Amino acid sequence: QVQLQQWGAGLLKPSETLSLTCGVSGGSFSGYYWSWIRQPPGQGPEWIGEINHSGIATYNSSLKSRVSISVDRTQDQFSLRLTSVTAADTAVYYCARVATTSCCSYFDSWGQGTLVTVSS
Amino acid sequence: DIVLTQSPGTLSLSPGGRATLSCRASQTITSNYLAWYQQKPGRAPRLLVYGASRRATGVPDRFSGSGSGTDFTLTITRLEPEDFAVYYCQQYDISPQTFGQGTKVEIK
Repeated sequence: QVQLQQWGAGLLKPSETLSLTCGVSGGSFSGYYWSWIRQPPGQGPEWIGEINHSGIATYNSSLKSRVSISVDRTQDQFSLRLTSVTAADTAVYYCARVATTSCCSYFDSWGQGTLVTVSS
Repeated sequence: DIVLTQSPGTLSLSPGGRATLSCRASQTITSNYLAWYQQKPGRAPRLLVYGASRRATGVPDRFSGSGSGTDFTLTITRLEPEDFAVYYCQQYDISPQTFGQGTKVEIK
């Protein structure tokens, strides 16, 4: 069974860069898309972007100017960078696997989540 | 962006009861790309239903999804204590992928 383990700094000051990494184990890394999703306190989740094992990434246009997602195929890891953070970026950040079958696409496995707080 | 509006915001029910959760999309989405998730406090969302009506592996058959076009429903029959949680719908049809704001199912 695939497992996603994420890590990174949880407390940032305004204007700093958020950096998180997600490691994948127990399953194939290639052949899937891998996503970052965030959830502000008390709100629904928000999709940030996704990347495949070849490094092709797509992003939510609301964050596109500040976000980048990269992949390290040698380590079965993918990473998120979000620049110039503000208090509005405070949220629990999740990594997730995108399952795409003959019929459907959905997030079938999730990391444990990282609370990122932006405060001066 | 496609907006998913979930109703009601909170559902107060007793164990053994039946929950009917609604998810309405701001435009037509392909049923294949509508999913439901359950989330408990401090935990990541858990996939329940994908393709509008297909139960994920290991999900009890008291959970069922239905709907098409702009209107989708998650039904939970015979509520168990572990079913009290927040439920989100999500669409993967048109980028950006979006989630609803959630329905909380609480113990009455």
